[in-house]
Amino acid sequence: GNSVTQMEGPVTLSEEAFLTINCTYTATGYPSLFWYVQYPGEGLQLLLKATKADDKGSNKGFEATYRKETTSFHLEKGSVQVSDSAVYFCALAGANSKLTFGKGITLSVRP
Amino acid sequence: EAGVAQSPRYKIIEKRQSVAFWCNPISGHATLYWYQQILGQGPKLLIQFQNNGVVDDSQLPKDRFSAERLKGVDSTLKIQPAKLEDSAVYLCASSGQGIQETQYFGPGTRLLVL
Repeated sequence: GNSVTQMEGPVTLSEEAFLTINCTYTATGYPSLFWYVQYPGEGLQLLLKATKADDKGSNKGFEATYRKETTSFHLEKGSVQVSDSAVYFCALAGANSKLTFGKGITLSVRP
Repeated sequence: EAGVAQSPRYKIIEKRQSVAFWCNPISGHATLYWYQQILGQGPKLLIQFQNNGVVDDSQLPKDRFSAERLKGVDSTLKIQPAKLEDSAVYLCASSGQGIQETQYFGPGTRLLVL
């Protein structure tokens, strides 16, 4: 079946540091890939997505590239802010649109 | 455009009691999902509706959980009787009818079973 593996957390960074959060997946067919973010006290929000190989999703300074050869969808941001502190979930959707999530990783950004 | 609405936001019950959650999806969204998110884990799909029909309920513990989507709009998820391990956040999401459409999530209902 489909599965998503995220790097272990939590991650703590200083403001303006570079961020990479690793995500790899196992899936049959051609899934779509997503990053969702959950800010403290709020619901899940779509951060970015990519629907086919080599697509790059981007939003709010975050980027992730759909790498079929390495089955990865790593999230990056060049300069994090305190307001980026949240829980980040990598997810995939197969042909039936069912979302499979990773465990999530907590990011804390220090001023 | 209004987002996915859920109520209540919080609920505390004792084990063996029953509880119900309500979800109103984004207007026009044909597909509705219920997820269970246990602390420290990613959301897990419980049931998926397309209009008022069930598409996938393979992960729904049917001995105690039930869900319905009358008229293909609002949905309710019920737990009866609740167990301690049902303590979690219950998320509702909705999407359009196409394949791999983006899902939009509600704020969730946080359930604590004592």
